Amino acid sequence: AQTVTQSQPEMSVQEAETVTLSCTYDTSESDYYLFWYKQPPSRQMILVIRQEAYKQQNATENRFSVNFQKAAKSFSLKISDSQLGDAAMYFCAYRSAYDFGNEKLTFGTGTRLTIIP
Amino acid sequence: GAGVSQSPSNKVTEKGKDVELRCDPISGHTALYWYRQSLGQGLEFLIYFQGNSAPDKSGLPSDRFSAERTGGSVSTLTIQRTQQEDSAVYLCASSPRDRAWHGYTFGSGTRLTVV
Repeated sequence: AQTVTQSQPEMSVQEAETVTLSCTYDTSESDYYLFWYKQPPSRQMILVIRQEAYKQQNATENRFSVNFQKAAKSFSLKISDSQLGDAAMYFCAYRSAYDFGNEKLTFGTGTRLTIIP
Repeated sequence: GAGVSQSPSNKVTEKGKDVELRCDPISGHTALYWYRQSLGQGLEFLIYFQGNSAPDKSGLPSDRFSAERTGGSVSTLTIQRTQQEDSAVYLCASSPRDRAWHGYTFGSGTRLTVV
């Protein structure tokens, strides 16, 4: 079974600065997808960024980028130019690329990000 | 609809009562998932529906929990004889079968409080 570990329960960053959230995972599969979700106080999980394991290029979405290290099974999220609206819980998640019977996402325990004005 | 809709938004119930939580997925999404999020915890998988296939119930914590999905659309999660440890946010998500790698679209969840 796959596991996802987020070792930082809480992080804080000054507004406009850069912060990196850590995520490691354990799997024996070679093809999979990784995701970062944001959960603001409204509770709704919002997809921030995703990465396909067979793509070596790191995904980027505006101020959000990942550092995907497949051999190390590491998938960190970098938020540049942090904004007050970035304050939320951030969850890392894993999904197998082998569809049948493996469609569910496995989540880490989350990192609470605080933005300091 | 435009998004995943869950009702009620909040539910307070007495220990021992039964509760029903409803999820209305995005139209056309064949996959539907229920997760539970306890205070300070990550998301715990409960159950997964995919089209007309038999659901994956491997995450249901006890036989007090059950779920059904009618007509491949709306789903109801039922918790019988609620216990205080059932207090949590119950999140529903859906995804299209052929683009599942895009991830899920989540609802805003139902916060269940058992007193």
